[in-house]
Amino acid sequence: AQSVTQPDIHITVSEGASLELRCNYSYGATPYLFWYVQSPGQGLQLLLKYFSGDTLVQGIKGFEAEFKRSQSSFNLRKPSVHWSDAAEYFCATSLGGQTGANNLFFGTGTRLTVIP
Amino acid sequence: DADVTQTPRNRITKTGKRIMLECSQTKGHDRMYWYRQDPGLGLRLIYYSFDVKDINKGEISDGYSVSRQAQAKFSLSLESAIPNQTALYFCATSDLGQGPRSNEQFFGPGTRLTVL
Repeated sequence: AQSVTQPDIHITVSEGASLELRCNYSYGATPYLFWYVQSPGQGLQLLLKYFSGDTLVQGIKGFEAEFKRSQSSFNLRKPSVHWSDAAEYFCATSLGGQTGANNLFFGTGTRLTVIP
Repeated sequence: DADVTQTPRNRITKTGKRIMLECSQTKGHDRMYWYRQDPGLGLRLIYYSFDVKDINKGEISDGYSVSRQAQAKFSLSLESAIPNQTALYFCATSDLGQGPRSNEQFFGPGTRLTVL
């Protein structure tokens, strides 16, 4: 069965510091990979996605993520965090490409706190 | 205007009451989804629909039913609400097709439901 693991429930970083949020997936083939952000009281906004090709993908708000097949990982990074980045971040995967098999499987989320 | 809207945004109800959550979209997407979000559990799929004649159960459909009234409308019902259905509920949409883009989902703002 497909699963997504976000090992860090809560991360605190200082404003201006770099950030890396971890995501590992469990699936034999390469799934499609996504990072969503949920700001307090808001819905989910897509930050970036990986379908194929270049393993380093750029997203909105200065975020990037790198797909590493050997580690089954898709970690999210940002070089300098802003206070407005405080939110909950979800990694998600999809099998893709087959009828009925493009549902998203979500990790349990990582809550990011940014301190001044 | 938001592409995916949900009503109500907040609802408090009592055990045993029937509740309907509504979702509308202007994205012209064929696929629609209902998820629930619980702290520490991420998002879990309740039901999904690929068109008005197609309804499918997701991971946690027990206690829920859905209705796809039109391409743009997808409602979630709790026939007899119970306290452990207290959660944040999200509607999402995605485009039709077999390609990667059909795996990208767009989320509404969520409905916070409390069952007393």
